[in-house]
Amino acid sequence: GESVGLHLPTLSVQEGDNSIINCAYSNSASDYFIWYKQESGKGPQFIIDIRSNMDKRQGQRVTVLLNKTVKHLSLQIAATQPGDSAVYFCAENERGTGNQFYFGTGTSLTVIP
Amino acid sequence: GAVVSQHPSRVICKSGTSVKIECRSLDFQATTMFWYRQFPKQSLMLMATSNEGSKATYEQGVEKDKFLINHASLTLSTLTVTSAHPEDSSFYICSANTGGDSYNSPLHFGNGTRLTVT
Repeated sequence: GESVGLHLPTLSVQEGDNSIINCAYSNSASDYFIWYKQESGKGPQFIIDIRSNMDKRQGQRVTVLLNKTVKHLSLQIAATQPGDSAVYFCAENERGTGNQFYFGTGTSLTVIP
Repeated sequence: GAVVSQHPSRVICKSGTSVKIECRSLDFQATTMFWYRQFPKQSLMLMATSNEGSKATYEQGVEKDKFLINHASLTLSTLTVTSAHPEDSSFYICSANTGGDSYNSPLHFGNGTRLTVT
C-alpha cells in the first residue's frame, strides 16, 4: 500500500480566510485522486476529485490542483468557515488495479472564529 | 445516493473474543468493498479488498486469519476480528464505490466502527 501512518500535521486559519492543504502522493502511475473530509468519529466524506488528464478542478468553494511532475495535490478552500474544521485526506488510485485507494497522511484544519 | 451503512458504530469486547462488523451498500450493489483501519490521529490504512463471491485480497502485513472477511451478497460485507487483543482496538471503516472495475469512481464510506478490546 501507499498510505503512510504518520501523525497528522495541523493548519489553523482565521474564519473567512482561504485555506490551502497539501498532499504528496507516492505512486507515479496513479491517475485518479480524491480529497476527503473526515469529522471526528465519522467516515470520510467526498469533497472533490480530479483525474490525471487535468491539472485543476473547481467545486463549490473548493479547488483542487494537481501537479503530476512533482506528484503533488493541493486543496484550496475559499472563505473558510468553522464547519470546515476537520481532517482532510487525499487519496490516490491507479486505474485498472481494482479500485483500491491509498490515503495520504492527512491534515487537521482548525478554523478560528 | 451511494450510501454505505456500517454496524455497530461502537463495540467493546473482552480480549480473546471475536467481533463481527457489517458493511452494507444501501442503494447500490457493490461487487467490491474495502476495509480500512485508522488509529487515532493517523491516516486510513487499507486492510483488504472484499470481493463478492470470492476470497478477499489482503494488503501486505494484514493477517487474513485474524481479520476474516466475507462478502456473501452484492450489498453486504462483514469483517470479523478473531481472538481480539487490545492492540486490535481501532477505528474500522468500510467503503464501496458504484463504479465497475474498469474505471475509477469515488469511494463512499460508512461511518466506521470504534472497536475497544479490554
